[in-house]
Amino acid sequence: QSVLTQPASVSGSPGQSITISCTGSGSDIGAYNYVSWYQQHPGKAPKLMIYDVSNRPSGVSDRLSGSKSGNTASLTISGLQAEDEADYYCSSYTRTTTLVFGTGTKVTVL
Amino acid sequence: EVQLLESGGGLVQPGGSLRLSCAASGFTFNNYAMTWVRQAPGKGLEWVSTIGDVNSGGNTYYAASVKGRFTISRDSSRNTLFLQLSNLRAEDTAVYYCAKGMIGSDFRGQGTLVTVSS
Repeated sequence: QSVLTQPASVSGSPGQSITISCTGSGSDIGAYNYVSWYQQHPGKAPKLMIYDVSNRPSGVSDRLSGSKSGNTASLTISGLQAEDEADYYCSSYTRTTTLVFGTGTKVTVL
Repeated sequence: EVQLLESGGGLVQPGGSLRLSCAASGFTFNNYAMTWVRQAPGKGLEWVSTIGDVNSGGNTYYAASVKGRFTISRDSSRNTLFLQLSNLRAEDTAVYYCAKGMIGSDFRGQGTLVTVSS
């Protein structure tokens, strides 16, 4: 089962903006607008932050935004804060009626 | 408030079986697909299985790595999701999370740890 490719780590200073990429294929990200992003703090369950490429669930900060171009999705965190330090995973629905997750990105706030 | 409470994990020998449960509350259980995702120690998230909502027939879907060994099911009378794990392997060792939905899965529990070891 293929996985989506994410950078292993991204870092930024407080107040800065960072972007995490998530690269798939025409069978997943490129096929549907069903990309989600999850935040996971150590020892905790994943938390849904973005769904359907760019929608935020109620209660999620508007500093987070999602987008997609072709087979690559992106998550942007603006006004970086200490609480944003966590692991982030993308996921996508696929043509074979499965889900695929990204490799994960560790975000560090300098 | 959506709540999901996983249970049933533990230590099991290779080749053994285990049944995981996920008690759901705070939403209309029958109206949603339900999903299992796992995370091996120190590793990323891996989708395991999804069962469709009751009204759509409850179709089941599996990752290639577990197909034929794991069985997902749901009990509407108890608002509970299950995952039967059989013929377990060392590489099945992970924290197993249940989630509401498939696309944009909503995780609310803390997971249950399955350790496969002799």
